[in-house]
Amino acid sequence: ETGVTQTPRHLVMGMTNKKSLKCEQHLGHNAMYWYKQSAKKPLELMFVYNFKEQTENNSVPSRFSPECPNSSHLFLHLHTLQPEDSALYLCASSQDLLDTQYFGPGTRLTVL
Amino acid sequence: AQSVTQPDIHITVSEGASLELRCNYSYGATPYLFWYVQSPGQGLQLLLKYFSGDTLVQGIKGFEAEFKRSQSSFNLRKPSVHWSDAAEYFCAVGLTGTASKLTFGTGTRLQVTL
Repeated sequence: ETGVTQTPRHLVMGMTNKKSLKCEQHLGHNAMYWYKQSAKKPLELMFVYNFKEQTENNSVPSRFSPECPNSSHLFLHLHTLQPEDSALYLCASSQDLLDTQYFGPGTRLTVL
Repeated sequence: AQSVTQPDIHITVSEGASLELRCNYSYGATPYLFWYVQSPGQGLQLLLKYFSGDTLVQGIKGFEAEFKRSQSSFNLRKPSVHWSDAAEYFCAVGLTGTASKLTFGTGTRLQVTL
């Protein structure tokens, strides 16, 4: 595997379910990001991690819970989501907070 | 706070024609500037970036962009479009000294006719 990978690619869940999105980067980067991409809206930064420490939480509801166990892996734990949370969730990584971000293919989430 | 405007939601060009996608930003200093492309069902791929130096930046796939400070613009150009260039294009702005807090435009969808 090369670059930034995300699993699953597609996820359908009910509002009472608990699920997790996984992101893995194979670039040796130290910073990782979660973004939300909704139809007709600009890409929204959700969380930023640098050397496993969270440096940015962009006022994201607590039903989204990120986890960064090491610099290569990033998770987004989901619980009691709303239908308006349906979107494409993109993960990105960069060498550091000054460098270019490289994106994964995204997870298409549908909340029923 | 910085902001990005991509005034064209949708553009259609013929294959072989030239292309220019517009991007205007609002920021008090010289920002970091990026263009990304997204094909259907895919993530974002970096086309090119501007941090400092030469204001004409060359990117992948034959794209280039020019930073014009006086116009607060960073327009993307390609002299001859290929059908495979059909995708959505995003301009993004980062604060000087950091590329971590990017603000994205709403995107321009490019359609290429044969």
